[in-house]
Amino acid sequence: DGGITQSPKYLFRKEGQNVTLSCEQNLNHDAMYWYRQDPGQGLRLIYYSQIVNDFQKGDIAEGYSVSREKKESFPLTVTSAQKNPTAFYLCASSIVWADGNQPQHFGDGTRLSIL
Amino acid sequence: DAKTTQPPSMDCAEGRAANLPCNHSTISGNEYVYWYRQIHSQGPQYIIHGLKNNETNEMASLIITEDRKSSTLILPHATLRDTAVYYCIVRVERGSTLGRLYFGRGTQLTVWP
Repeated sequence: DGGITQSPKYLFRKEGQNVTLSCEQNLNHDAMYWYRQDPGQGLRLIYYSQIVNDFQKGDIAEGYSVSREKKESFPLTVTSAQKNPTAFYLCASSIVWADGNQPQHFGDGTRLSIL
Repeated sequence: DAKTTQPPSMDCAEGRAANLPCNHSTISGNEYVYWYRQIHSQGPQYIIHGLKNNETNEMASLIITEDRKSSTLILPHATLRDTAVYYCIVRVERGSTLGRLYFGRGTQLTVWP
């Protein structure tokens, strides 16, 4: 089935450690997005990419990095510079047409916790 | 960017229609209204979107007022599985912020038997 796969579902990080969250899609979508969700809050955009080898910062990019070497993959690295990384991380993808009017499809998320 | 205002929570009896309101009084002409829902610990699920006209699909109906300052999502026959947080979002469709979604806290809909 087509969809977005995020792994792992749960991830634990030690202080000062970088961790990478995986996001893979087989929907042939050009655009991919990373969001962060804190308890009781809505989603906030971290990074997004509309095409391979190109990406832009969202609203809360500090302490995070991404790469987009392949159309189907958009990994997110949570670096040690991110002082409050405990959150639920969601990846999404969408078709990008000239009018941009296409919904985003989400994965089931990775829950990151600090040990 | 337009902001949305939604009630924090609503209840609905199973089998009845659930009407979820959303205010977006500063919406611009090129911004669509999107609705997503999120069941606990899962990713958001797309429901429906519209610009000016009312829209209907297999999941729900979207009613947008003529001045576009508010909208209502209608689940015609709510079931227990419709219990979720519902997000009303306005989305820019042009320019450098193409495709970005701005999530608020949404409305927690609880469907009871």
